[in-house]
Amino acid sequence: GPKVLQIPSHQIIDMGQMVTLNCDPVSNHLYFYWYKQILGQQMEFLVNFYNGKVMEKSKLFKDQFSVERPDGSYFTLKIQPTALEDSAVYFCASSPGTGANERLFFGHGTKLSVL
Amino acid sequence: GDKVKQSPSALSLQEGTNSALRCNFSIAATTVQWFLQNPRGSLINLFYLVPGTKENGRLKSAFDSKESYSTLHIRDAQLEDSGTYFCAACQNYNQGKLIFGQGTKLSIKP
Repeated sequence: GPKVLQIPSHQIIDMGQMVTLNCDPVSNHLYFYWYKQILGQQMEFLVNFYNGKVMEKSKLFKDQFSVERPDGSYFTLKIQPTALEDSAVYFCASSPGTGANERLFFGHGTKLSVL
Repeated sequence: GDKVKQSPSALSLQEGTNSALRCNFSIAATTVQWFLQNPRGSLINLFYLVPGTKENGRLKSAFDSKESYSTLHIRDAQLEDSGTYFCAACQNYNQGKLIFGQGTKLSIKP
């Protein structure tokens, strides 16, 4: 099926540093998402992104978080500065559209460890 | 409380048997998606549902929006079916903001 690629698969970083998580969405998809999963628990919505803009973000999407997709390259999640509670697995997803075309395809996740 | 509640939380099955997983919603879900998170952590999209049923091989899923629940049936369970099954509901076609359940951890034994 369609594949979403995430780079890197694991990132270890010291608290207070900046980190950028990269996502290569499915090529013809228009909507992009980030979700957060802590310790194998349920997934939590962070943000969705369409046409260069954030459409909606949750309360988990702190001021230190930002997303962008410059010129059709990677869809990125940047955290600056990082905090210990940011340790989690971050999943990127994409979908062709919304409504009836809203089937989400997820990447394999990036495990972020903040020390 | 949980907007999407899954049951059971864990299940152990013998290879070749059948199982049914369930999600109950306390929100007005418009669509439902089922995912399998395999032991490596990857999320695989199994079904995307509007109200109704879908079948794919040994898997069958139903979504009843009026009664606010969805089910996933696994027939003739195989070892590779092991993992955590998540259902996720979308509220009012809300642009990919899925609300996930806590998951059902399924273990298939030979």
